[in-house]
Amino acid sequence: DADVTQTPRNRITKTGKRIMLECSQTKGHDRMYWYRQDPGLGLRLIYYSFDVKDINKGEISDGYSVSRQAQAKFSLSLESAIPNQTALYFCATSGLAGGVDTQYFGPGTRLTVL
Amino acid sequence: AQSVTQLGSHVSVSEGALVLLRCNYSSSVPPYLFWYVQYPNQGLQLLLKYTSAATLVKGINGFEAEFKKSETSFHLTKPSAHMSDAAEYFCAANFGNEKLTFGTGTRLTIIP
Repeated sequence: DADVTQTPRNRITKTGKRIMLECSQTKGHDRMYWYRQDPGLGLRLIYYSFDVKDINKGEISDGYSVSRQAQAKFSLSLESAIPNQTALYFCATSGLAGGVDTQYFGPGTRLTVL
Repeated sequence: AQSVTQLGSHVSVSEGALVLLRCNYSSSVPPYLFWYVQYPNQGLQLLLKYTSAATLVKGINGFEAEFKKSETSFHLTKPSAHMSDAAEYFCAANFGNEKLTFGTGTRLTIIP
């Protein structure tokens, strides 16, 4: 079984709709992250959480919110989706490996906003 | 500002040829550096990472990278390309704030 899972894997929605992307992990890590990937732009950090009570904005948090329901679960919400939020979204967790904080990624959610 | 730059958004090499993907960082203090690979319709998989223990780092699938402080570089290489290496490759850095800064990615195409 995958260590980091994301649901749904694909989603098509309409402008103005609220949508939630979910992430679960079995790695036992405290730190979790949400990124979006756009062609030619690499991955950009939306939100991150270093533990259940700690939520931080990343470089592109406008239009997004998150919820850390438990150590293993970190959800990303788009309150009112717009077309330029069409992207590939990745969840990641991180923990020490070889003395270095190392991130591990889920399979991604492809979101299309019409 | 701290940043990661990948030169060449697209690289094509012949099967069996050397693969060289370039990554440079901008920082006064050397960061921890990572290379990730993304196969089509998949997430990012860690290839290798630089932790300051050794400047030449060996990763999975025959890839390796060399950290050069004087050149602020961490280029990824593989002596002989295989068709299965076709993917997008991302260089990333942890500048000490426990977050990753990514380059914009390099798409590697292998020519039969």
